[in-house]
Amino acid sequence: QVQLVQSGAEVEKPGASVKVSCQASGYTFTSYAVHWLRQAPGQRLEWMGWINAGNGNTKYSQKFQGRVTITRDTSASTAYMELSSLRSEDTAVYYCARDARGCSGANCFGWSDPWGQGTPVTVSS
Amino acid sequence: DIVVTQSPDSLAVSLGERATINCKSSQSVLYSSNNKNYLAWYQQKPGQPPKLLIYWASTRESGVPDRFSGSGSGTDFTLTISSLQAEDVALYYCQQYYSSPLAFGGGTKVEIK
Repeated sequence: QVQLVQSGAEVEKPGASVKVSCQASGYTFTSYAVHWLRQAPGQRLEWMGWINAGNGNTKYSQKFQGRVTITRDTSASTAYMELSSLRSEDTAVYYCARDARGCSGANCFGWSDPWGQGTPVTVSS
Repeated sequence: DIVVTQSPDSLAVSLGERATINCKSSQSVLYSSNNKNYLAWYQQKPGQPPKLLIYWASTRESGVPDRFSGSGSGTDFTLTISSLQAEDVALYYCQQYYSSPLAFGGGTKVEIK
């Protein structure tokens, strides 16, 4: 079955960086984009960005531009999200999700399905 | 940026009764060239990631019970649970995928009365 498995929980200090991985299985990795999203305590879900796993093109939310980098390793069917200059407000559960629509255009987005299990990231001194 | 607003924040419904959740986008998410509304609905239970229920505003995902239905067009949308079951207790989110940045509503908590 289609599945996304994320790396484990992280605890980081303010100013540091964190890199979360998302390994896909059960489908052709390069045929679908991958979204990265987060959910801070008591806050709504927030979209961070997206990578076209086929050609590596990315699109980031302006809110995170300059701090987030999304990459992929097609040989490992894995997407990565790195967030730098961490602050306490970045404490959240980070999710990857497949863009189930399956389109490849630069501004072609779809619904997220399935989602990874989530990776808690805590930023604390 | 498109802002998505949900109402109510929470609702309590008796088992077997109807639950209705509203979602409003600040701009139309109807793409005229294909006449599709770029809106999805998700269900999230505690400690779990969101689960897709509906996409294109009204297309039910495979395996989702038919008591869940989505309707609406343009800027106003509704998720209806026709006969609430105990397992439907959860948070529900709508999301627009019409344009970047993709955006979610604030969520609606559904409980049993």
